[in-house]
Amino acid sequence: DQQVKQNSPSLSVQEGRISILNCDYTNSMFDYFLWYKKYPAEGPTFLISISSIKDKNEDGRFTVFLNKSAKHLSLHIVPSQPGDSAVYFCAASAQGYSTLTFGKGTMLLVSP
Amino acid sequence: DTEVTQTPKHLVMGMTNKKSLKCEQHMGHRAMYWYKQKAKKPPELMFVYSYEKLSINESVPSRFSPECPNSSLLNLHLHALQPEDSALYLCASSPTPGTISGNTIYFGEGSWLTVV
Repeated sequence: DQQVKQNSPSLSVQEGRISILNCDYTNSMFDYFLWYKKYPAEGPTFLISISSIKDKNEDGRFTVFLNKSAKHLSLHIVPSQPGDSAVYFCAASAQGYSTLTFGKGTMLLVSP
Repeated sequence: DTEVTQTPKHLVMGMTNKKSLKCEQHMGHRAMYWYKQKAKKPPELMFVYSYEKLSINESVPSRFSPECPNSSLLNLHLHALQPEDSALYLCASSPTPGTISGNTIYFGEGSWLTVV
């Protein structure tokens, strides 16, 4: 049973446009969410996180939105750059647990 | 400094070999993790160390043996592996054992393991 779902395996966007990556979760105990970016042959790099007490968190070009009632979060990248091309993983954690549950990832391709 | 350093970056080993993967962090984090990642899949948790003690073992076969000599170091000893164990092995750390909420897990660049 997949508790964190990234239903789009891939996304193609033009440079300068907005990239929107989506993530859904089923476990209502999850209260902390993280986005990681991964290039081939490298470990995941932390991008941005959000606690369930917030509905938005922003860091430079990256903004994460959380809709708790819909159990949905999204990562917005504006403007998208070719260097953003990578696999993006959504991950979730519950209070008191030291483990992350990952989605399967979305491959983002930003073309010049 | 948010660096988790893993060595070696690449390792090829035979099924009868004994080898070790090493991980180091100097962020003062007291939780350390081993993850395994296969191509086009998300990372899968293997082990969690909290305050240098093994707190979670996700039913990993005994041919993988973790060790945490001190709060900065984490090893993964490998023995009698199978070709299907070939994968990217990721070490990670986070500040506070017992919960991730409010924290961040930082990953190393990984060690690519090929078992022949």
